[in-house]
Amino acid sequence: DTEVTQTPKHLVMGMTNKKSLKCEQHMGHRAMYWYKQKAKKPPELMFVYSYEKLSINESVPSRFSPECPNSSLLNLHLHALQPEDSALYLCASSHDRVGQPQHFGDGTRLSIL
Amino acid sequence: GIQVEQSPPDLILQEGANSTLRCNFSDSVNNLQWFHQNPWGQLINLFYIPSGTKQNGRLSATTVATERYSLLYISSSQTTDSGVYFCAVGGGGSNYKLTFGKGTLLTVNP
Repeated sequence: DTEVTQTPKHLVMGMTNKKSLKCEQHMGHRAMYWYKQKAKKPPELMFVYSYEKLSINESVPSRFSPECPNSSLLNLHLHALQPEDSALYLCASSHDRVGQPQHFGDGTRLSIL
Repeated sequence: GIQVEQSPPDLILQEGANSTLRCNFSDSVNNLQWFHQNPWGQLINLFYIPSGTKQNGRLSATTVATERYSLLYISSSQTTDSGVYFCAVGGGGSNYKLTFGKGTLLTVNP
């Protein structure tokens, strides 16, 4: 689903670095999501934003900090990550109504050294 | 939360063969999506199908919500169909959470 754009596509960082993942959509969706996918596993929900407000935090460690500056943008700020945080991070968006399909970006493949 | 089971976990086909993938879920759903994840990690939306039947080219899907299962049919498979097929459902009291099954790894050999 190329209507959701994620940058960068790949990111390598050290455990002491601070970096951010970015996600953008222009479909007028008011719900946006971050998922984490480990190798050979299904995606798992991390955060949900509804109308720019955090609606769901699936007990994610504080070293992951989400931000939704406006209805089209979603960021994930990373700080002091661990090697086990290496994964594919997927962003998705949907209309903010019950049962709406979610549209996924191509993901950011993150490696922690 | 809602449970999602997919079968089979692995499937190997010769090019041109047909296949059926199954997704069982444990509660009523307001969202059901089938995805294909290619070897590059892209998660491609195949169907949004909380109920009924849809077709798109060689692919079709059926969801019988009252019996809590969905089927994905792939006909005349091609090597480019290889990858992982995920069923993901929303429901069980959540407006947003999409719960994924463990997926079916499909390999289509030439």
